[in-house]
Amino acid sequence: AAGVIQSPRHLIKEKRETATLKCYPIPRHDTVYWYQQGPGQDPQFLISFYEKMQSDKGSIPDRFSAQQFSDYHSELNMSSLELGDSALYFCASSRSGWGSNTEAFFGQGTRLTVV
Amino acid sequence: AQSVTQLDSQVPVFEEAPVELRCNYSSSVSVYLFWYVQYPNQGLQLLLKYLSGSTLVKGINGFEAEFNKSQTSFHLRKPSVHISDTAEYFCAVGDSGGGADGLTFGKGTHLIIQP
Repeated sequence: AAGVIQSPRHLIKEKRETATLKCYPIPRHDTVYWYQQGPGQDPQFLISFYEKMQSDKGSIPDRFSAQQFSDYHSELNMSSLELGDSALYFCASSRSGWGSNTEAFFGQGTRLTVV
Repeated sequence: AQSVTQLDSQVPVFEEAPVELRCNYSSSVSVYLFWYVQYPNQGLQLLLKYLSGSTLVKGINGFEAEFNKSQTSFHLRKPSVHISDTAEYFCAVGDSGGGADGLTFGKGTHLIIQP
């Protein structure tokens, strides 16, 4: 079965550079969530999209932005990168939110290292 | 506001012994509860979830959890662990209002299986 695809799997950037992370949800999933997991930390919710509209916002820095496109894939854009942005970034997708019979599936993550 | 407390950051257990990973939550509304497992350098995999109905939930890999509303707990149990169960386990809570709200994760419990 198709899973959530994230690219790239690994990314190394220098301070003050920009990075774009991509997430391709499971087919027919209309909701995408982004999480940031620092070293040894729990995943922190950043932002989510439902039907291409921002649905909920968590602890996403102003330097980050994201969007969901017409084909439901999502991109997380990160500018003015800082050392503290080094983390594993997860994308998850679900069909119409977490409710009743919905399950969210996580991708393998993109490991971003800022040097 | 929601929060999740995983009381143990590490739990060492001998192989074939039973294990319980503790999780307590707080929320001002009804909740959905989840347990995820994360193997080294991997994404998050759903073990089980509680949405409604029976308070005893069975998941994959022989795990089960019991929702206790009065104690606001959702402890994860397995009667006999295997070396392959060594991983990080995250308890998470979601707003039962559904939609695309992000999950709130606990800090995680590292399950260490000793031979």
